[in-house]
Amino acid sequence: KQEVTQIPAALSVPEGENLVLNCSFTDSAIYNLQWFRQDPGKGLTSLLLIQSSQREQTSGRLNASLDKSSGRSTLYIAASQPGDSATYLCAVRPSSGNTGKLIFGQGTTLQVKP
Amino acid sequence: DAGITQSPRYKITETGRQVTLMCHQTWSHSYMFWYRQDLGHGLRLIYYSAAADITDKGEVPDGYVVSRSKTENFPLTLESATRSQTSVYFCASSESLGQMNTEAFFGQGTRLTVV
Repeated sequence: KQEVTQIPAALSVPEGENLVLNCSFTDSAIYNLQWFRQDPGKGLTSLLLIQSSQREQTSGRLNASLDKSSGRSTLYIAASQPGDSATYLCAVRPSSGNTGKLIFGQGTTLQVKP
Repeated sequence: DAGITQSPRYKITETGRQVTLMCHQTWSHSYMFWYRQDLGHGLRLIYYSAAADITDKGEVPDGYVVSRSKTENFPLTLESATRSQTSVYFCASSESLGQMNTEAFFGQGTRLTVV
């Protein structure tokens, strides 16, 4: 059974710091991995999608990497800002079963202090 | 407006009542999903639909019913609401399966409280 784990559960950093959020998954049979941002009381906003054949994706100050063989992904946020404060979720799309469902981690809640 | 919208955003209902949560998407995506988000459990799949008139159970389907008569709508019904169904419900859609670049898009969520 696919399981997704995100460590740490919470993280507090000063503004301007570069940081890394971690995501691990137990089954490498995935189509892709998606990183989401969730603000309090809001929906999920897709940040980056990495296909299983890719190693990384970049969008602005965000860089996501994928090591499928080791079951790990990281989200790198450069020069963090208070506006980056949110919960970050990673989710994998299993390639077995063909249901299209996503398996989510529990998220990392990030606080960036001014 | 283009996108995926859920209604209502907030709902309080009594135990035993029937309640329907609505989801509408404007992209004509084939696949639609309902998740619930709870502390300690994260997001879990309730039901999904591959196309109009095709639905299937997810991880936690008990107590829920879905229908999909039109591609753009995917309502979720709680037939007899229980307190354990107090949660935040998210609807999502994606264009197709089996493609590595298929991305899922989520609505803003419905916060349901059963009293």
